Amino acid sequence: DAGVIQSPRHEVTEMGQEVTLRCKPISGHNSLFWYRQTMMRGLELLIYFNNNVPIDDSGMPEDRFSAKMPNASFSTLKIQPSEPRDSAVYFCASHLTGTGSPLHFGNGTRLTVT
Amino acid sequence: SQELEQSPQSLIVQEGKNLTINCTSSKTLYGLYWYKQKYGEGLIFLMMLQKGGEEKSHEKITAKLDEKKQQSSLHITASQPSHAGIYLCGADRGGSQGNLIFGKGTKLSVKP
Repeated sequence: DAGVIQSPRHEVTEMGQEVTLRCKPISGHNSLFWYRQTMMRGLELLIYFNNNVPIDDSGMPEDRFSAKMPNASFSTLKIQPSEPRDSAVYFCASHLTGTGSPLHFGNGTRLTVT
Repeated sequence: SQELEQSPQSLIVQEGKNLTINCTSSKTLYGLYWYKQKYGEGLIFLMMLQKGGEEKSHEKITAKLDEKKQQSSLHITASQPSHAGIYLCGADRGGSQGNLIFGKGTKLSVKP
C-alpha cells in the first residue's frame, strides 16, 4: 500500500501565480479531504469529497481556491491567484466510509508564496 | 461549532519520564482520534476511541476517553526520543465519520 501521495512536496511561487496541488488517495478509499495547516490556525478542513462528489466546501477560504476530483484516484487543489497569506502546508487525506477506519494522510505540500 | 482544546501546548521531558497530554471538547465526542506528526511529514494515526470510558494501548502509549465523552488523555510511559513530535487529537465533526476537526496540537520534546 503506497499510502496517500501528494505532489509536489514543496512549492515556492510568487504572488499572483497559479498553484496546483495534487493528490492520489489510497486505492479503494471513497472519501478524500483537503486540509490546510498553519501555526496560527492549526489544521483546517478546506473541502471533502465522497465518491468524487464535493460534499462540503464551506472551509474553502475564497473563490481563489477550487478543488476537483475527476476520478476516484486523483484530486487537485488550485489557488488562482495565490497570495502570501496562502503560505501553509496543505494535506490530503483519504478514508473508506462506513468501516470505522481512520483518515490516512499524505506527507503534505509546503507552499510558500512570496 | 465544536472546538478541541489541547493542553499543554508544548512539553519537554527527560527520557524515561511519563507524561500526559489532554484533549477537551466543547461538545460530546462521537469519535476521538489521536495522531502523531513529525516535522515535514504527514499525520500518523495512533488510536481511535468511541465509547465512554474506553481505553486503548499501543506499546507505551495509552489513550482514554472519559465517561462523559468530552475529554481524552494520551499517556506515554517511559518516554523515549522516538516519541518526540506533535500530537494532535481529532474528532468526528457533528457525528460525520471521517470529517474531522483537530486540536492545535501538543509539541513533545524528549531530552536524552
